[in-house]
Amino acid sequence: DAGITQSPRHKVTETGTPVTLRCHQTENHRYMYWYRQDPGHGLRLIHYSYGVKDTDKGEVSDGYSVSRSKTEDFLLTLESATSSQTSVYFCAISEPGTGEYGYTFGSGTRLTVV
Amino acid sequence: KNQVEQSPQSLIILEGKNCTLQCNYTVSPFSNLRWYKQDTGRGPVSLTIMTFSENTKSNGRYTATLDADTKQSSLHITASQLSDSASYICVVSDRGSTLGRLYFGRGTQLTVWP
Repeated sequence: DAGITQSPRHKVTETGTPVTLRCHQTENHRYMYWYRQDPGHGLRLIHYSYGVKDTDKGEVSDGYSVSRSKTEDFLLTLESATSSQTSVYFCAISEPGTGEYGYTFGSGTRLTVV
Repeated sequence: KNQVEQSPQSLIILEGKNCTLQCNYTVSPFSNLRWYKQDTGRGPVSLTIMTFSENTKSNGRYTATLDADTKQSSLHITASQLSDSASYICVVSDRGSTLGRLYFGRGTQLTVWP
């Protein structure tokens, strides 16, 4: 996925530990998003950002926090990981008015909380 | 309640055959409808995007249709290939928020057999 990189790609962590996932973009897009994907559910929005230091909650934000100190980086933090946060996490970027297809997704981070 | 329903949940076809995937939505107001392809272990990649005034949009062997009156869309795949094996996700965007919130279907898992 050109222009957007997620790290790590895979992570196993223990319940109660903090975890930070990173999304890095080289497209200079204003909007960045964090989604989670679970079996039986469509992608669900966790948090999003509409500029540096400007963030807001999505539909499943409990237990997650985000930070965006630079245009290119959007961090998702699980302060105290729980088994219910085992999921695949996708970052997406968009810039209104640019390109027909809008959103570009990263390749995902598979997080397992044991 | 804004929802996006896809059918069938899964589908198996033989290589070279055609298939049609369905998407029904109740999202209102309506801005656009997108079809994404998601390969296993990868992020979703956009295939087509249609606004209210568009009835059909093609991208190679993929043709999407939209009936905004009945709130239905279909994705037709012609002359399927093994590489078409993936999850196909229907996504509807509303006009209700500044960012145009996305509503994701759960996807149709397509398997193409040789």
